[in-house]
Amino acid sequence: ELKVEQNPLFLSMQEGKNYTIYCNYSTTSDRLYWYRQDPGKSLESLFVLLSNGAVKQEGRLMASLDTKARLSTLHITAAVHDLSATYFCAVDPTGTASKLTFGTGTRLQVTL
Amino acid sequence: DTEVTQTPKHLVMGMTNKKSLKCEQHMGHRAMYWYKQKAKKPPELMFVYSYEKLSINESVPSRFSPECPNSSLLNLHLHALQPEDSALYLCASSQGTGSPEAGELFFGEGSRLTVL
Repeated sequence: ELKVEQNPLFLSMQEGKNYTIYCNYSTTSDRLYWYRQDPGKSLESLFVLLSNGAVKQEGRLMASLDTKARLSTLHITAAVHDLSATYFCAVDPTGTASKLTFGTGTRLQVTL
Repeated sequence: DTEVTQTPKHLVMGMTNKKSLKCEQHMGHRAMYWYKQKAKKPPELMFVYSYEKLSINESVPSRFSPECPNSSLLNLHLHALQPEDSALYLCASSQGTGSPEAGELFFGEGSRLTVL
């Protein structure tokens, strides 16, 4: 059974600081996705990583994928309050999206 | 603004009621999904429709019955639910299983269901 674990589960950080969220998964996959969810809201796609070594950046967020280590990271640079949300990684081992498995989620709180 | 719209946004129903959740997407996607999300938990896959045919049923109880009338519409019929079925029900769509971006799901705002 595929397991997708994120750490930390909760992260409180000050504005202006840097931090990294980790996503580990238990089976071979070269496709990984990051989503953001604001409290009480739906999920928004952030990054699509489709191969080993893939790196994507958008604003203060940068995601990378190491398929050999079965690890993805989401790096936050100079955090701002607007980044407060829950971040999920999701793994697609079949390449068909039919079995997309979400990670445990990381709740990020950026304090002023 | 999301291009996947769900109605209703909130639903309260008794255990003997029959209700339906509706989802519509206008992105020309060929795959549609129902996910269930409990508070502080990740979404859990319930059903997948690919080209209007049910391709995945994740052992969901029969009190949940999906329907895909056409490639843009997805319904979830609810009957004889239990209080533990209270959750946020999310509809999503994607380009279609098999495409490189197949896993990039576009979610609706969700229907928050409370079963009394």
